[in-house]
Amino acid sequence: DIQMTQSPSTLSPSVGDRVTITCRASQTINSYLAWYQQKPGKAPKLLIYRASILEGGVPSRFSGSGSGTEFTLTISSLQPDDFATYYCQQCYSWTFGQGTKVEVK
Amino acid sequence: QVHLVESGGGVVQPWGSLRLSCAASGFTFSSYAMYWVRQAPGRGLEWVAAMSHDGSNKYYTDSVKGRFTISRDNSKDTLYLQMNSLRAEDTAFYYCARDREAYNYDAFDVWGQGTMVTVSS
Repeated sequence: DIQMTQSPSTLSPSVGDRVTITCRASQTINSYLAWYQQKPGKAPKLLIYRASILEGGVPSRFSGSGSGTEFTLTISSLQPDDFATYYCQQCYSWTFGQGTKVEVK
Repeated sequence: QVHLVESGGGVVQPWGSLRLSCAASGFTFSSYAMYWVRQAPGRGLEWVAAMSHDGSNKYYTDSVKGRFTISRDNSKDTLYLQMNSLRAEDTAFYYCARDREAYNYDAFDVWGQGTMVTVSS
């Protein structure tokens, strides 16, 4: 089974900060990596697929990079609406990372 | 408008059974792989099961193999999850989700609102 490890588990940035979340796969997944945003009481929302392709309607401040086993999600300038939990997912056998909570400082 | 609506959740005793449904609308259901994902209270997302667009292929996470069965009725645009021998650790919010690409396996671009399953005596 492919294991996904996200870091950090929590972040407490300020509005306007650059935020980076890392996801590591236990074996190569090429670029089959997705990122989701989830807010309390809501279903997850797809942000990025194939490691770096922005889903339609997602603000351009979100970006993804990486291939193989190391991936990053970057928010270039954190906005108030971005406080949420973020998950990576490998799309070979669909396991998720444990999540990164971006919380208000 | 693309839409997924889950139903069938509730409270069930340990070792009991429950069948979840996911009604799809706004897209050609028979062209897309579909998935079940769950989230225990206060915990992260866990992929549970997957089914190919035509129902010919099914996949399960290890913890539900032999207990859960995913199925679909493309004539009714509906996905199902039959859950047997339920355990306390199956307590979670259950979401159905659609693959973002027809006739392929990739990320999940459409999600339902979820249905809660509670396993308790």
